[in-house]
Amino acid sequence: DIQMTQSPSSLSASVGDRVTITCQASQDIGNYLNWYQQKPGKAPRLLIYDASNLQTGVPSRFSGGGSGTDFTLTISSLLPEDVATYFCQQYDNFPITFGPGTKMDIK
Amino acid sequence: QVQLQESGPGQVKPSETLSLTCAVSGVSVSTYYWYWIRQSPGTGLEYIGYIYYGGRTNYNPSLKSRVTMSIDTSNNQFSLELNSVTAADTAVYYCARGLGVINAFNIWGQGTTVSVSS
Repeated sequence: DIQMTQSPSSLSASVGDRVTITCQASQDIGNYLNWYQQKPGKAPRLLIYDASNLQTGVPSRFSGGGSGTDFTLTISSLLPEDVATYFCQQYDNFPITFGPGTKMDIK
Repeated sequence: QVQLQESGPGQVKPSETLSLTCAVSGVSVSTYYWYWIRQSPGTGLEYIGYIYYGGRTNYNPSLKSRVTMSIDTSNNQFSLELNSVTAADTAVYYCARGLGVINAFNIWGQGTTVSVSS
């Protein structure tokens, strides 16, 4: 299985900050990488697919980048509603696997 | 508007079979790939598998010997069976729809908590 790691595991930032989360795959996955946001008690929400494509309806302050083994999710200007846990997910190889998550809150 | 809703027992005894159904509204289950994913504090998000109309399936090898998925077009729903459950199968179970041919999950059910205990 492809192992996904994320850093940091938790993050505290101020409203208006630019925030970047990283995700690393244990082998080359091309751009077959998706990002999700999950708020407590809710299902995950797809933010970014194929590493850099913004899902319909997702605010443009979210962006994704990277390819191969190293990927990033960036929030250009953090808002209070962005408090959540963020997960990456690869689908280059089955089984599909997820990162452990990055928990983000507001300072 | 596409909506998914999981249903099934909230508690299952060890060694028995967990059975869940995902009711789909707003789109036919004869289109798209349909997924089951679970989440537990210890394991995080775990892919269980997918089913596509016509019976094509893909199961996580870690669960493959215990998993069966099916589609019911007459009731526009799909189902998951997981047999010989243990406490390790305690989790929130989600059904989800794929984003076309991309294995991204763009529509999710609200999730249903299943506890395995006697």
